[in-house]
Amino acid sequence: RKEVEQDPGPFNVPEGATVAFNCTYSNSASQSFFWYRQDCRKEPKLLMSVYSSGNEDGRFTAQLNRASQYISLLIRDSKLSDSATYLCVVTPNSGNTPLVFGKGTRLSVIA
Amino acid sequence: GAGVSQSPSNKVTEKGKDVELRCDPISGHTALYWYRQSLGQGLEFLIYFQGNSAPDKSGLPSDRFSAERTGGSVSTLTIQRTQQEDSAVYLCASSLTRGLGSGNTIYFGEGSWLTVV
Repeated sequence: RKEVEQDPGPFNVPEGATVAFNCTYSNSASQSFFWYRQDCRKEPKLLMSVYSSGNEDGRFTAQLNRASQYISLLIRDSKLSDSATYLCVVTPNSGNTPLVFGKGTRLSVIA
Repeated sequence: GAGVSQSPSNKVTEKGKDVELRCDPISGHTALYWYRQSLGQGLEFLIYFQGNSAPDKSGLPSDRFSAERTGGSVSTLTIQRTQQEDSAVYLCASSLTRGLGSGNTIYFGEGSWLTVV
């Protein structure tokens, strides 16, 4: 099993739709979780951290399920500008190992 | 500077030549990462520096790749005898610390786009 797995998509959704992405991770001792966004030919940028209690930032909601080892990202009222690749990022427990990135889920929001 | 700075932003080189890519992390960030991303692919970890600890080189694909970090700040990634499969964007990132919590959020530079012809 890969350390971090994501459905690559693409997800093609109309404007205004609600879309959800899931990400599973294999290391049960993982400590921190993030969603990054990457636009075409650009560097990844932090979208939001994922907290155990779940957290919301405007139209974006992130959830963590430690028992099932997955995190999710929900985008409500999709905008054209949400079109990007969304990367799931996991911090392993070990203090000297790097962050692990999923390969990303591609979202296209269509007018 | 305010963010992670990388140079050159674009580099075209002939097969067999050596290249050096530079990364200047955010001031005060102790952790520095190099990743590689081929077109349409995910991020591939290369090497990680944390303070004065020995770097984690487990992601370097071959002995043609090496990296150093001088004075705990600027890092240089060197690729010797470049091959066409080395063509990719090389992304550098830094974070405040490798500890737990929000301090380990990492910030990326804009990348160095390498094309080997």
